[in-house]
Amino acid sequence: DSGVTQTPKHLITATGQRVTLRCSPRSGDLSVYWYQQSLDQGLQFLIQYYNGEERAKGNILERFSAQQFPDLHSELNLSSLELGDSALYFCASSVDMGGTGEQFFGPGTRLTVL
Amino acid sequence: AQKITQTQPGMFVQEKEAVTLDCTYDTSDPSYGLFWYKQPSSGEMIFLIYQGSYDQQNATEGRYSLNFQKARKSANLVISASQLGDSAMYFCAMRPYTGNQFYFGTGTSLTVIP
Repeated sequence: DSGVTQTPKHLITATGQRVTLRCSPRSGDLSVYWYQQSLDQGLQFLIQYYNGEERAKGNILERFSAQQFPDLHSELNLSSLELGDSALYFCASSVDMGGTGEQFFGPGTRLTVL
Repeated sequence: AQKITQTQPGMFVQEKEAVTLDCTYDTSDPSYGLFWYKQPSSGEMIFLIYQGSYDQQNATEGRYSLNFQKARKSANLVISASQLGDSAMYFCAMRPYTGNQFYFGTGTSLTVIP
């Protein structure tokens, strides 16, 4: 158990809908990262937050948004869902913003868009 | 630009034998960290081992060791005495010390044969 929690574990929804994925980092970790893992594109970095502020942005679509709250949990919002958004979405946390700290991953949320 | 290359999409190894998973990286940052993660079929991402770019010795963690060749920009993972439970996807990742983002390779699928 990495200490990072993600809910829900599975999510099935229809095209055009909006969903929210939730992540709680390990105790003491200030950085939260979101990744998308699909079969054809591997592990894609989406976005990073550090202590409530956005710090890095990767291949995140405009239909997707995220935020980190004062209690450090984070939410990833996916809207106008398309079939291609079906993937495993990971949250990871680390204690710092840079440096040597490794990331610890949550168990992931498997999103299926029908 | 940062890039991680894993050239072996799939590998097979006999149980109890050693196996090397290749990883090369490209970065202009003088300082960085290198990481290996394991992803079994259940989907979770498990941190295995870390190597800092200024570390003089190769990192080891139990049956895992990292063969770090800085001049060649390679960070190969060596798994000794393979076990059936080692069958999984393995991802190499890099993080510049001054940056926020982790960069992942496309992964290598390892199958341990009884």
